[in-house]
Amino acid sequence: AQSVTQLDSQVPVFEEAPVELRCNYSSSVSVYLFWYVQYPNQGLQLLLKYLSGSTLVKGINGFEAEFNKSQTSFHLRKPSVHISDTAEYFCAVSDQGAQKLVFGQGTRLTINP
Amino acid sequence: KAGVTQTPRYLIKTRGQQVTLSCSPISGHRSVSWYQQTPGQGLQFLFEYFSETQRNKGNFPGRFSGRQFSNSRSEMNVSTLELGDSALYLCASRTPGSSYEQYFGPGTRLTVT
Repeated sequence: AQSVTQLDSQVPVFEEAPVELRCNYSSSVSVYLFWYVQYPNQGLQLLLKYLSGSTLVKGINGFEAEFNKSQTSFHLRKPSVHISDTAEYFCAVSDQGAQKLVFGQGTRLTINP
Repeated sequence: KAGVTQTPRYLIKTRGQQVTLSCSPISGHRSVSWYQQTPGQGLQFLFEYFSETQRNKGNFPGRFSGRQFSNSRSEMNVSTLELGDSALYLCASRTPGSSYEQYFGPGTRLTVT
């Protein structure tokens, strides 16, 4: 079985500052990794995914994430955040045979002007 | 291409009643998954349907059930509602092939009183 730990429940940052949202996963098999964003009163939108290949993955809205197999991590980063990035971010894992996503508890990103 | 649609968006039911939620996937997507989102438990997988067959099921009681129709539309049903069933229910459809990328609908907010 897989599990996902998002190390910070809330992350406040100032506008135009860099941000890193941390995600660690546990799995005995090879996995696919995802980051989703949820804006208030909306569903989930895929930011980026890691399936295989390059460990640095670029996504939408200027976000990127790095897969580190030895540390079982998949941290999300953005070099300069904007007010519009205020949302909840979810890290998720899926094993390569299953059809379901296992989510972390989410990180609420708050951008202060 | 239209996204995943869910109806209704909001629903208020009384304890003991039953409820049916509907999900229409993106055109061409044959896999539909359901997730429950609550503040306490986070995002949890309910079940996944593909070509009218349930392929995977999460750890929920039998009061939670679902089905998929030949046009890939899916419904989930919760019988004998409990207060703890109050949640945002999200539906996701998946792209064909092996990308495992799921597209989420806006959700149905169920409140049980």
